[in-house]
Amino acid sequence: EVQLVESGGGQVKPGGSLRLSCTVSGFTFSSYSMNWVRQAPGKGLEWVASMSISGDFIWHADSVKGRFTISRDNSKSLLYLQMNSLRAEDTAVYYCARGRYSGTTSDYWGQGTLVTVSS
Amino acid sequence: EIVLTQSPGTLSLSPGERATLSCRASQSVSSNSFAWYQQKPGQPPRLLIYGTSNRATGIPDRFSGSGAGTDFTLTITRLEPEDFAVYYCQQYGGSPLYSFGQGTILEIK
Repeated sequence: EVQLVESGGGQVKPGGSLRLSCTVSGFTFSSYSMNWVRQAPGKGLEWVASMSISGDFIWHADSVKGRFTISRDNSKSLLYLQMNSLRAEDTAVYYCARGRYSGTTSDYWGQGTLVTVSS
Repeated sequence: EIVLTQSPGTLSLSPGERATLSCRASQSVSSNSFAWYQQKPGQPPRLLIYGTSNRATGIPDRFSGSGAGTDFTLTITRLEPEDFAVYYCQQYGGSPLYSFGQGTILEIK
């Protein structure tokens, strides 16, 4: 069974940092691109970052570029999102998701981890 | 930047009826790169349709997708109680790499 489990969320003050992790099981992690998508409370979905299978290609949304960094450890089947200089508008549930169909969609998603940025 | 605009914002229908949800892109999108998701409260999104018209694994055949260029449609024939949820369209490959529509709420009338 494919499973993705996010961890590392919590409450942090503006300007602070957090590192999210996504632990996967049930599939060969090193064979799939991976994505982070977030959802602010009561709002829609917003793509955050993506990483190719090997990690050679990385993309970040403009809203997080220079502050967030996606990375992966294929040996441990782990996906990360390092979040620095956090702002109130970064408050959201953060989902990790598996890329599929040449990365055009996300076919499996974790349950998400809540990040709250507040003083 | 490719912006996806979904309509209507809210759709009120009864079980057994047919639902037609629309998504318009601000620029042409490759048909291979267009998808639909369903999200229920407290749950992550669930992939319904990929490549404009292909049902994802386990998705019932009452869900279908169509469209090309800038106009895409998700059709749900014979609504079941479990179909009432929020639906998002998504494109890949433009700028930003992925973008989502704002969502259509499908509610029970």
